[in-house]
Amino acid sequence: NAGVTQTPKFRVLKTGQSMTLLCAQDMNHEYMYWYRQDPGMGLRLIHYSVGEGTTAKGEVPDGYNVSRLKKQNFLLGLESAAPSQTSVYFCASSSPLGESGYEQYFGPGTRLTVT
Amino acid sequence: AQSVTQLDSQVPVFEEAPVELRCNYSSSVSVYLFWYVQYPNQGLQLLLKYLSGSTLVKGINGFEAEFNKSQTSFHLRKPSVHISDTAEYFCAVSALTGGGNKLTFGTGTQLKVEL
Repeated sequence: NAGVTQTPKFRVLKTGQSMTLLCAQDMNHEYMYWYRQDPGMGLRLIHYSVGEGTTAKGEVPDGYNVSRLKKQNFLLGLESAAPSQTSVYFCASSSPLGESGYEQYFGPGTRLTVT
Repeated sequence: AQSVTQLDSQVPVFEEAPVELRCNYSSSVSVYLFWYVQYPNQGLQLLLKYLSGSTLVKGINGFEAEFNKSQTSFHLRKPSVHISDTAEYFCAVSALTGGGNKLTFGTGTQLKVEL
């Protein structure tokens, strides 16, 4: 099993450009998450999904949109990139309580720079 | 809402010395507690977790943590560190919310093991 994979690994955008980050998991997990990691701030939840076709806002959702059309995929979109969105983005997935005890499995990350 | 405090942003230690990384949390409901490790340019990997039962939890790579409900702490310890333990360590808390097991992370502690 590949676990959680993220595409791309690196990306440089100009201010105002758009892009989509793809997260895929092969563990049949119901829940999926997008985090951003910034120095000295830990990981902050952007959006999450508790099942196919459902999404919800996390702690820092502004400037991002998500979609979960298939259970195994969770897409994060930036419609108009800003320098403040320069960060490392992590995707994670997990099963409901009773199956894995709330453990989240993380992808390797996408390093995004907005100039 | 939950919060996690990791007071030490950096902890330098010599190889083979013991180490303790501190984590305190606040929550109005029962929580699950986690420690994750992040090696340079990689994603997060679960070290250990506390869900219930024994308050002393053993994880991978010789790490252990003790849940102290009265002090709302979940400190991570290792009796003898190795150079390969150099990494960033994140404490995280999860609470039953009915909307997915969202994790709240601390800001991380950089462990630097020196010869």
